[in-house]
Amino acid sequence: EPEVTQTPSHQVTQMGQEVILRCVPISNHLYFYWYRQILGQKVEFLVSFYNNEISEKSEIFDDQFSVERPDGSNFTLKIRSTKLEDSAMYFCASKAVSYEQYFGPGTRLTVT
Amino acid sequence: AQTVTQSQPEMSVQEAETVTLSCTYDTSESDYYLFWYKQPPSRQMILVIRQEAYKQQNATENRFSVNFQKAAKSFSLKISDSQLGDAAMYFCAYRNNFGNEKLTFGTGTRLTIIP
Repeated sequence: EPEVTQTPSHQVTQMGQEVILRCVPISNHLYFYWYRQILGQKVEFLVSFYNNEISEKSEIFDDQFSVERPDGSNFTLKIRSTKLEDSAMYFCASKAVSYEQYFGPGTRLTVT
Repeated sequence: AQTVTQSQPEMSVQEAETVTLSCTYDTSESDYYLFWYKQPPSRQMILVIRQEAYKQQNATENRFSVNFQKAAKSFSLKISDSQLGDAAMYFCAYRNNFGNEKLTFGTGTRLTIIP
């Protein structure tokens, strides 16, 4: 069964550093999402991406964040200058038209 | 904006018994979907069950069923014959059936299964 994959599974970085989280959505999916879950809290929407552009972003997704689909298969989330409060689990999800979102296993980001 | 509320931070149930997790939501839309996701300790998000708002019949998936009360904006999850593997965080989620269809999650209920 096809699945969404994410790398790395755990990323440790120092405050102020740039990080790139990578996702490989399911191949025939058209809609892509990033969500964030701070430890012990609920899952929060960050951004959605369709037709090579952002379709919606939350207030969390400020200028420090960007997304890209560089090669037609990968979908990346970049945080330009990480802060301590960016420490969280980051989930990628994808879906085809009129079907459900399938989540990847997540990347745990720790900012020290 | 849509909101999802889960008022039970923690629940526990004896193995093989039945437990019901509560969820309420608020929306002005009429066309939407509701979901329950399970998050085990691995933190993977696993879809348990889905309910379309236009369907009056409650969704069922094996031991999992929902009680969808559209007028009351209530969407509870019933787990029958609870098993040790059901222990997890359970999140209720909402999405519109238009636009980018982002998911809005509740705060979750931690379910413990007592052997």
